Amino acid sequence: DAKTTQPPSMDCAEGRAANLPCNHSTISGNEYVYWYRQIHSQGPQYIIHGLKNNETNEMASLIITEDRKSSTLILPHATLRDTAVYYCIVRRRAGSARQLTFGSGTQLTVLP
Amino acid sequence: DADVTQTPRNRITKTGKRIMLECSQTKGHDRMYWYRQDPGLGLQLIYYSFDVKDINKGEISDGYSVSRQAQAKFSLSLESAIPNQTALYFCATSDSHYDRETQYFGPGTRLLVL
Repeated sequence: DAKTTQPPSMDCAEGRAANLPCNHSTISGNEYVYWYRQIHSQGPQYIIHGLKNNETNEMASLIITEDRKSSTLILPHATLRDTAVYYCIVRRRAGSARQLTFGSGTQLTVLP
Repeated sequence: DADVTQTPRNRITKTGKRIMLECSQTKGHDRMYWYRQDPGLGLQLIYYSFDVKDINKGEISDGYSVSRQAQAKFSLSLESAIPNQTALYFCATSDSHYDRETQYFGPGTRLLVL
């Protein structure tokens, strides 16, 4: 799986959009970008994933650059409950089960 | 109701004791996983199961065993608990028929081995 690089921490004002960047310059053509988050000591939560097109669901939007070397997770209206560590993971869809390698992620703190 | 449940949520035990952590899911997924997480670190895979008859070791299986009693149940046992098994344990599921790479996690079991 391609390596990812994320900033260690970010702050965002409540009600504003939170934009979390991720660099994955070694991504290959069959690898997807997945985002999970982990609120303190809770189980990790799947947010969204994409291959090359931008994706949106009820939780967030995922913007992938045209060269696919980076992406941005957007939480459109951040709330205090969105404070968590956000993980960007790149991996193939096919293949045997392997652990999700979460890395260090970005600690997002939503400020009141 | 939660789709993936874990019992107990917290457990304190003594060195040498055998304990079992249980995981149940109502998502109808065929794949189930056990992870451990140490403070400030990422998740490490202990065991995973593709279906009831398929059990596979993860990267840190020593000192652990599992049982897949049914599609919906996957138990993790510590045969003889030791202090460095103190950690947060998570169960997860995924669906190989739809999207095997999206995993859904339980709330975790916090284990303290004295």
